[in-house]
Amino acid sequence: GAGVSQSPSNKVTEKGKDVELRCDPISGHTALYWYRQSLGQGLEFLIYFQGNSAPDKSGLPSDRFSAERTGGSVSTLTIQRTQQEDSAVYLCASSQGQGALQPQHFGDGTRLSIL
Amino acid sequence: AQSVTQLGSHVSVSEGALVLLRCNYSSSVPPYLFWYVQYPNQGLQLLLKYTTGATLVKGINGFEAEFKKSETSFHLTKPSAHMSDAAEYFCAVSEPGANSKLTFGKGITLSVRP
Repeated sequence: GAGVSQSPSNKVTEKGKDVELRCDPISGHTALYWYRQSLGQGLEFLIYFQGNSAPDKSGLPSDRFSAERTGGSVSTLTIQRTQQEDSAVYLCASSQGQGALQPQHFGDGTRLSIL
Repeated sequence: AQSVTQLGSHVSVSEGALVLLRCNYSSSVPPYLFWYVQYPNQGLQLLLKYTTGATLVKGINGFEAEFKKSETSFHLTKPSAHMSDAAEYFCAVSEPGANSKLTFGKGITLSVRP
């Protein structure tokens, strides 16, 4: 079956531009997570969506970062006025339900490079 | 607050040798523990997890890990390394009842020498 799909796989943009990263979770998965993987910081949690509940945005590093999840499925992570320190791999994961018992399935990530 | 410590960034073993990747955690409540593997240009794949019950957990590709509460450890082992095991390995912790977010260690790169 289809796994978590992320697009684009690579994105190069100039400092100051806005970018949108897309995540298509596994069908039927109600929980969706965004993580960032960077050389200096390792893997960091960004945001969590569960069903129709308010998202947990506690990991977003600044107000330039935002995310939405439409119709309980596809999610978009938006970074406004990109900075060089935003360069990283952005990973999306989904799981079947709420709680840590449900394993998270990861996409292959979007590699973002800010020039 | 929870945290994960993976000492060292790189481990090199010979093919056929024992693989031991160390992980120590800190958590204010009994944690759930995970090991993930990442191959180049790919996402993370779950190797195994500990939630409750038996403390020795077996995963895919011949890996296993043992939860030791007294040592706050969850070390990953494999009796005999294979060339295909070369990858980056991440230990992660999650708190039951929380939003299930994973807190990861820095990762360890495993190299396997022929």
